[in-house]
Amino acid sequence: AQKVTQAQTEISVVEKEDVTLDCVYETRDTTYYLFWYKQPPSGELVFLIRRNSFDEQNEISGRYSWNFQKSTSSFNFTITASQVVDSAVYFCALINMIKAAGNKLTFGGGTRVLVKP
Amino acid sequence: EAGVTQSPTHLIKTRGQQATLRCSPISGHTSVYWYQQALGLGLQFLLWYDEGEERNRGNFPPRFSGRQFPNYSSELNVNALELEDSALYLCASSLVDSSYNEQFFGPGTRLTVL
Repeated sequence: AQKVTQAQTEISVVEKEDVTLDCVYETRDTTYYLFWYKQPPSGELVFLIRRNSFDEQNEISGRYSWNFQKSTSSFNFTITASQVVDSAVYFCALINMIKAAGNKLTFGGGTRVLVKP
Repeated sequence: EAGVTQSPTHLIKTRGQQATLRCSPISGHTSVYWYQQALGLGLQFLLWYDEGEERNRGNFPPRFSGRQFPNYSSELNVNALELEDSALYLCASSLVDSSYNEQFFGPGTRLTVL
């Protein structure tokens, strides 16, 4: 069975501070994808980033960066220089690459980020 | 290009009634997924339809059912509604041949059971 844990339920920061969201996952699969999604108050899940299990290279995309460490099963996400518009719930998710495994996303419990002006 | 659309936006029902939620995928997508986001339970996978067939089902009772139409749109039916069915129901769609399994989500239907 797969499991995704986001230990932080809520983070509050002041604008321009960096925010790091933790994500730890469990899976017996060897081929999988990890995702971060953003859910603003409107409710729609917005795709942010994706990383496959073969690629541990960490990258930066604009104000977003991520740290994937297979050895510790962690996939942490950082927002640099946070803005008020970053206030939302952020979800980490995992999916097996092989569709025959069910093609379902397993989500963490979410971390609510509040960016104060 | 239009994204995933869902209707209605809000739905209010009473216990024991049936609810029908609708989803239209992104044009060209043949797979549709349903997820439930209930308060305190997080996002849970409900159903996956592809080419009109149910391909996978989450850990939900049989009163949660659905179907996918020839135009790839989908309905989720919840029978004998219970108070704990109150949740945001999110639909997603994807290409069947996408190597990334990337699922694009709709705005959701908020179901309230009184």
